[in-house]
Amino acid sequence: DVKVTQSSRYLVKRTGEKVFLECVQDMDHENMFWYRQDPGLGLRLIYFSYDVKMKEKGDIPEGYSVSREKKERFSLILESASTNQTSMYLCASTPGQGGNQPQHFGDGTRLSIL
Amino acid sequence: QQQVKQSPQSLIVQKGGISIINCAYENTAFDYFPWYQQFPGKGPALLIAIRPDVSEKKEGRFTISFNKSAKQFSLHIMDSQPGDSATYFCATRGQRGSTLGRLYFGRGTQLTVWP
Repeated sequence: DVKVTQSSRYLVKRTGEKVFLECVQDMDHENMFWYRQDPGLGLRLIYFSYDVKMKEKGDIPEGYSVSREKKERFSLILESASTNQTSMYLCASTPGQGGNQPQHFGDGTRLSIL
Repeated sequence: QQQVKQSPQSLIVQKGGISIINCAYENTAFDYFPWYQQFPGKGPALLIAIRPDVSEKKEGRFTISFNKSAKQFSLHIMDSQPGDSATYFCATRGQRGSTLGRLYFGRGTQLTVWP
């Protein structure tokens, strides 16, 4: 069974801090994604990656960066955290760009910026 | 620019009733239309999906109806149960160029089924 693990369920940080959110998948998937989920706004794509050391901007990349040094790990970085980045962050992975393979999601990290 | 518009935002249905959630999309370069179900404290999980060459797909109590000419698709939950209470997201998948493989999600529908 596919497992996507996000390192923290809850995280509290201060404004201006550099924040790292980690995601690991155990099924050798090529594609990984970072979303943020806010009430009434659904899931918005921040960044995604189709391969190691490769990244593409999603719809809301401002204030974020990502790192993918190994195939199984995709990190989201908040360079200087701000209160408007308080949100639920979801990581997902999928084995390929086509076909009917679903995106598999982790259970999320609820991040609060004080 | 919102690629997928989902309605209603919230839905309350009595046990045994039919729940209907609708989605409309703009871009015709989508090739896959999944629905995701999310329970509190969990990530979304694939519920059911359809490709545009099919007008309807049924899996148990869950049915997707797809209208390609109207660029609309909907989720029907028959005999709704309290255990179906969750947030539902429709999505579309990009077919060409840099959008290949990424999903565009609707804003979600909070479904509550009364016992």
